[in-house]
Amino acid sequence: KAGVTQTPRYLIKTRGQQVTLSCSPISGHRSVSWYQQTPGQGLQFLFEYFSETQRNKGNFPGRFSGRQFSNSRSEMNVSTLELGDSALYLCASRNPGGTETQYFGPGTRLLVL
Amino acid sequence: GENVEQHPSTLSVQEGDSAVIKCTYSDSASNYFPWYKQELGKRPQLIIDIRSNVGEKKDQRIAVTLNKTAKHFSLHITETQPEDSAVYFCAAFQAGTALIFGKGTTLSVSS
Repeated sequence: KAGVTQTPRYLIKTRGQQVTLSCSPISGHRSVSWYQQTPGQGLQFLFEYFSETQRNKGNFPGRFSGRQFSNSRSEMNVSTLELGDSALYLCASRNPGGTETQYFGPGTRLLVL
Repeated sequence: GENVEQHPSTLSVQEGDSAVIKCTYSDSASNYFPWYKQELGKRPQLIIDIRSNVGEKKDQRIAVTLNKTAKHFSLHITETQPEDSAVYFCAAFQAGTALIFGKGTTLSVSS
C-alpha cells in the first residue's frame, strides 16, 4: 500500500496570506489528523477528520481550519498567516475500528516571512 | 483533555549504554500508548506500542513499560547504537479522542 502523502512539501508565504495544505491517507484509512510541529513544542494536535466530519479539535485559533472529502483526502487551511505559523505540518491517517496505529506523512514545511 | 508530559527533553549516552525516556499522562481512560521515532528530516515512525491490559512489551533492544496506577509509561533502549540517535515521542490515546503527544526527547548516541 502507498503511504500517506502530503503536498506541497515546501511552501513560503508572507504574513497575511492564506495557505492550503493537502493530505492523502493510506487507502482504506478514513481518519486523518493534522499536527503542527515546531522546535521545543513537539507535535501539537490541530484536528481530526473522520468520514468528512471533524471529530476532534485541538487548541488552535479559528484561522486554522480543515475539511475532508468523500475519498478521505483532507485539506487544512490557515488564513491570515502569522510569523509564528512557520512550522512543519504533519498529517496522519489511521483506520478506526482496526488498530489504533497512526501513520504519518512526510509533512509540509511552511515558512512565513 | 489528555495531557502528556515527557522527560528528559534531551538525553546523551555513549554507544552501548541504555537509555530511558519517561512519560506521564493525565486521563486514566487512555488505553493505548505508542512511541514514535523521528530521524532528522523524516516523518515520525512507530517503533513500539503498548495497550493498557499489558504491563510490559519488548521488541529486540527496545521495551516499553506501563504503570496504569501511576499513569506513567517508559521507553527503554538497551545497547544503544549511533543509529538510535533521533527524537522520540510518546503519546496517549483513547477511542473517540485524538492521539496526544509529549514534546519529545532528543537522544544522542555517541560512539
